[in-house]
Amino acid sequence: QVQLQESGPGLVKPSETLSLTCTVSGDSISTYYWSWIRQPPGKGLEWIGYIYYTGRTRYNPSLKSRVTISVDTSKNQFSLKLKSVTAADTAVYYCARGGLQFDYWGQGTRVTVSS
Amino acid sequence: QSVLTQPPSASGTPGQRVTISCSGSSSNIGSNTVNWYQQLPGTAPKLLIYNYNQRPSGVPDRFSGSKSGTSASLAISGLQSEDEADYYCAAWGDSPGVVFGGGTKLTVL
Repeated sequence: QVQLQESGPGLVKPSETLSLTCTVSGDSISTYYWSWIRQPPGKGLEWIGYIYYTGRTRYNPSLKSRVTISVDTSKNQFSLKLKSVTAADTAVYYCARGGLQFDYWGQGTRVTVSS
Repeated sequence: QSVLTQPPSASGTPGQRVTISCSGSSSNIGSNTVNWYQQLPGTAPKLLIYNYNQRPSGVPDRFSGSKSGTSASLAISGLQSEDEADYYCAAWGDSPGVVFGGGTKLTVL
């Protein structure tokens, strides 16, 4: 059974870098695409970007200048870094399997940007 | 403002058939596949429909999807109380990247 688990700080200060990791179990990360998606409080879903195990990435154009997604195949993990965060980046962050068709999701991790 | 347009709310009584629309353009729905997600309160979204009208294993056949031109629809027949959730459509856009609808909150009266 495929499982994804997000981990990382729940509180980030404005202007700093948000860093999250998604650990995949029950499947090799060296197949499929892997994505990050976020959901601000009370709002809808926003795709952040995806990565393939080769390192190929694609980002949401609205976040592209601040986002980096990387993969560590030895640990079966992929990570998200979002720099220069503001209160608008406060959200529940999900990792998911797929680049368009997201068939497995993590439970989500809430990240608050506040001083 | 979302690239794909959904009604913010929908409702129905148990047993009824409800449809949720998702309007896009030729650069997203009109030329790419559409997926639908169900998000129960306090949980992560779940893939409900993929490739317009395919159901993942375990999704009841009460749920169906369709597409016409630059719009897509999700239909739920035999509405049940456990269907009360937020529903999102998604497609590949020309940004490029995945674009979501704003979501539709379904209430079972």
